[in-house]
Amino acid sequence: EAQVTQNPRYLITVTGKKLTVTCSQNMNHEYMSWYRQDPGLGLRQIYYSMNVEVTDKGDVPEGYKVSRKEKRNFPLILESPSPNQTSLYFCASSPHVGDGEKLFFGSGTQLSVL
Amino acid sequence: DAKTTQPNSMESNEEEPVHLPCNHSTISGTDYIHWYRQLPSQGPEYVIHGLTSNVNNRMASLAIAEDRKSSTLILHRATLRDAAVYYCILRDVDNYGQNFVFGPGTRLSVLP
Repeated sequence: EAQVTQNPRYLITVTGKKLTVTCSQNMNHEYMSWYRQDPGLGLRQIYYSMNVEVTDKGDVPEGYKVSRKEKRNFPLILESPSPNQTSLYFCASSPHVGDGEKLFFGSGTQLSVL
Repeated sequence: DAKTTQPNSMESNEEEPVHLPCNHSTISGTDYIHWYRQLPSQGPEYVIHGLTSNVNNRMASLAIAEDRKSSTLILHRATLRDAAVYYCILRDVDNYGQNFVFGPGTRLSVLP
């Protein structure tokens, strides 16, 4: 089944403890992206990647890192999480950045930083 | 990025048509109009998209104004499973990466 898989689904951690949220897609998509969703603010883009080894900042990149060493994986890294990074995170992928290509989303990761 | 505006919420009765409006007065010639929806406790899912002409698929129809400054997502017969937040977004083919900008969307309630 074609899908975007995020892990974990829920994560509770403490301030300053490094963590990684994994994202994997099995559709051979070039484009991948991370969003965070907060009440009243909609989905805001954190980072995106056009292809392997190509990443760029979205609207809210501060406090996050990403890497794209393989086409299928796009992990989100929080080196030193803080409480303001408590949020619902979504990974998404798209076949290629061409006309009208749609995004496929994962099921989300609910992160709580205490 | 060109912005969209949508009503915060709408209500519909089950099995009746629903028309969800979206205004995008600053749309450019290279912007596609996309609609996504987010069911409770799920990630957003694609609904439909178009450029200039009206579009139909198994989920919905998209009506685009002639001047492209507004569009309407049409659910022909709302069901309880259609209760979700619906997002209208513009996708600029000339600005690849930051081309999916989601606003607050419209929360659709479907009454039995």
